[in-house]
Amino acid sequence: TQLLEQSPQFLSIQEGENLTVYCNSSSVFSSLQWYRQEPGEGPVLLVTVVTGGEVKKLKRLTFQFGDARKDSSLHITAAQTGDTGLYLCAGAGPGAGSYQLTFGKGTKLSVIP
Amino acid sequence: NAGVMQNPRHLVRRRGQEARLRCSPVKGHSHVYWYRQLPEEGLKFMVYLQKENIIDESGMPKERFSAEFPKEGPSILRIQQVVRGDSAAYFCASSPQTGGRNEQFFGPGTRLTVL
Repeated sequence: TQLLEQSPQFLSIQEGENLTVYCNSSSVFSSLQWYRQEPGEGPVLLVTVVTGGEVKKLKRLTFQFGDARKDSSLHITAAQTGDTGLYLCAGAGPGAGSYQLTFGKGTKLSVIP
Repeated sequence: NAGVMQNPRHLVRRRGQEARLRCSPVKGHSHVYWYRQLPEEGLKFMVYLQKENIIDESGMPKERFSAEFPKEGPSILRIQQVVRGDSAAYFCASSPQTGGRNEQFFGPGTRLTVL
């Protein structure tokens, strides 16, 4: 059974601070996706990483896929209150044709003004 | 472009009743997935369908649960004789293809409450 562990589970920071959240597994994934979920809504796809070592930037968000494709991190620079939400990572694979996403339980981020 | 649509957004049923959850994928997407999110738990895969075919239902309970994606119309997740443990948020996702990036786009979910 593939498992994705996300840490920290909860994070509360002041506006303007930087933060990093982690997504770790002992399994290899063919791709890894990060989502953000607001209360009462569905997950919204932020980014997909596919290649080991890949780094993707989305404005103030930087996503990295580990070299071995077992882990990933999300770094937010100068957090804003609008970044508040539940951040989920989800892995697909192994195998390029795999369709089941394995989700972590998420990191609940609160950015305080 | 309209995203994945799910209805109803909230559904209340008494024990023993049937629940029918509907999902319309993104236009042009032929792959539909259902996931369940229990309180304090991550999303768990239930079933993967293509038009008129169930590809993988390994995550769906064998009893009382069924899913379909007909040639015309939305995908339906059906739960018969609901029990309190079925209370959860049910999310539908769609993708244009499998393989490669495996990107799935989620709907807003149906929150099922069983009284």
